Amino acid sequence: AQSVAQPEDQVNVAEGNPLTVKCTYSVSGNPYLFWYVQYPNRGLQFLLKYITGDNLVKGSYGFEAEFNKSQTSFHLKKPSALVSDSALYFCAVRDINYGNNRLAFGKGNQVVVIP
Amino acid sequence: GAGVSQSPRYKVAKRGQDVALRCDPISGHVSLFWYQQALGQGPEFLTYFQNEAQLDKSGLPSDRFFAERPEGSVSTLKIQRTQQEDSAVYLCASSLEGNTEAFFGQGTRLTVV
Repeated sequence: AQSVAQPEDQVNVAEGNPLTVKCTYSVSGNPYLFWYVQYPNRGLQFLLKYITGDNLVKGSYGFEAEFNKSQTSFHLKKPSALVSDSALYFCAVRDINYGNNRLAFGKGNQVVVIP
Repeated sequence: GAGVSQSPRYKVAKRGQDVALRCDPISGHVSLFWYQQALGQGPEFLTYFQNEAQLDKSGLPSDRFFAERPEGSVSTLKIQRTQQEDSAVYLCASSLEGNTEAFFGQGTRLTVV
């Protein structure tokens, strides 16, 4: 079965500094990888995805993520963090060889951008 | 509509009461998912529909949980004889196909007292 690990509970970063949120995954086949963001009392908002092709994918609000097959990682990055980026970030994986379409989510990382 | 709509946004149920949670997916989306998100946790898969067919219900925690999508559009998640451990946010998501990104509703926060 597929699973995701987000090792840090909270990521603190100063405004204007680079932001990295870590994610590693485990699947038996090939992965589809996703990042979602959740603001208080809001649903999950899609940020970006990796399906195939270029390992560096760009998404909404200046975020990008790099797929690394050898390290089974899909870290989320933003070159310059904004206070408005403070939110809960979830990494998710779907195993395309597993025969279902369910997403497995990590526990989430709280990002706090300090003004 | 423009996005996935869920109702009610908040539901307080007495233990033992039955509840029904509604999801209106994005028009034309074939796939529909239900997830359960406990406080401080990531969403956990409950069930998946492709049109009206329920293709995967392996995540439903007990036989008190039942989901349907009779016409391949609106879906209802029903929980019978609610227990305190059912307290969570229930998220619905839809996608064009199973292997594209899913779009989530704002969720229904269920509190069982």
